[in-house]
Amino acid sequence: KNEVEQSPQNLTAQEGEFITINCSYSVGISALHWLQQHPGGGIVSLFMLSSGKKKHGRLIATINIQEKHSSLHITASHPRDSAVYICAAHDIQGAQKLVFGQGTRLTINP
Amino acid sequence: EPEVTQTPSHQVTQMGQEVILHCVPISNHLYFYWYRQILGQKVEFLVSFYNNEISEKSEIFDDQFSVERPDGSNFTLKIRSTKLEDSAMYFCASSPEGSQYFGPGTRLLVL
Repeated sequence: KNEVEQSPQNLTAQEGEFITINCSYSVGISALHWLQQHPGGGIVSLFMLSSGKKKHGRLIATINIQEKHSSLHITASHPRDSAVYICAAHDIQGAQKLVFGQGTRLTINP
Repeated sequence: EPEVTQTPSHQVTQMGQEVILHCVPISNHLYFYWYRQILGQKVEFLVSFYNNEISEKSEIFDDQFSVERPDGSNFTLKIRSTKLEDSAMYFCASSPEGSQYFGPGTRLLVL
């Protein structure tokens, strides 16, 4: 059974700071998602990656398959980045289902 | 841009009642999912659906739950006899293959 763990659970930073959120998982996966959940509850997919690095605007996601670890970075953080960030792993065994981490609550203060 | 839609956005029901949650996935997607998130907890997988049948289900998805794709566009989750512990946010998702697209969720409250 795949366990997905994130750190930190809560992160508060000042506007402009560089943010890193970490995710580790226990068994092999086919791909990993980074998701964003806003206070209303809706979930938006940010990235899906299976190797290397992806960049979208100020967001960068990296994954190291050998170390079973992924990171989400936010450059030049802004208060509108405040949300819960969730990593979710595609099990190699599972039929496309996602196994979710507990989320990291990010607050960016102006 | 196409998106997954869910109705209703909120539902309040009495314990023991049946509820049906509705989802309209993105039209050319092949895989469909239901997830739930109890307040303050992780999002949990309930069921995946492909080629008009369940492809995988979790331990949570017991006999009180069922899914249907009645008309080729809607994808429904039925909870036959709701319990207090079914109170949660229910998310539908769809994917062509790989990246999953989530609906906005239905917040279900069982009293």
